[in-house]
Amino acid sequence: DTAVSQTPKYLVTQMGNDKSIKCEQNLGHDTMYWYKQDSKKFLKIMFSYNNKELIINETVPNRFSPKSPDKAHLNLHINSLELGDSAVYFCASSSYRGMDGYTFGSGTRLTVV
Amino acid sequence: AQTVTQSQPEMSVQEAETVTLSCTYDTSESDYYLFWYKQPPSRQMILVIRQEAYKQQNATENRFSVNFQKAAKSFSLKISDSQLGDAAMYFCAYRSAGSGTYKYIFGTGTRLKVLA
Repeated sequence: DTAVSQTPKYLVTQMGNDKSIKCEQNLGHDTMYWYKQDSKKFLKIMFSYNNKELIINETVPNRFSPKSPDKAHLNLHINSLELGDSAVYFCASSSYRGMDGYTFGSGTRLTVV
Repeated sequence: AQTVTQSQPEMSVQEAETVTLSCTYDTSESDYYLFWYKQPPSRQMILVIRQEAYKQQNATENRFSVNFQKAAKSFSLKISDSQLGDAAMYFCAYRSAGSGTYKYIFGTGTRLKVLA
């Protein structure tokens, strides 16, 4: 049973397109996150939701819009994709406030050509 | 703002030997959490070990242990009896214990190679 599942695992798309990445967790966690890992492997938080409420919104272009229909799902929609958006995007979840650690999804490698 | 520094971009260890990965952090807070995550070539991020700053005892998980030096703001990871499956990127992460602060701050990672 996959605890945090992301789809798709790989995404290749052209500049200017709009794409979505979906994330679902079956751990009963309250909090979900999107992190971006760049080509140098640096991980940086983008967004976090707690029980469908946006609680972290880092400095991210407004082309990126998260949506959490319920506490088990957190999707990421990206408009007008740019070359610089190419990265691995990780979804993660945690019990309240993440003090016990995150459970990560397997990542989505986005390549913009 | 808090920062996390991993000064070793790459380390190598012989199979069955012991290796220590370094992590230092900068914070003015007294209560926080520290983590080590492993990212093998499969890309999956796996929690290795967790330390609560108010606990003086160093955390241990099987072959993995930490040396937590709060005054020095140092949190190193020791891997004993290294195995080929330990080869991965290792990330140190910091999380404030303050309310409303949910995010982790990650270091830049250390790539560990295990030599047969």
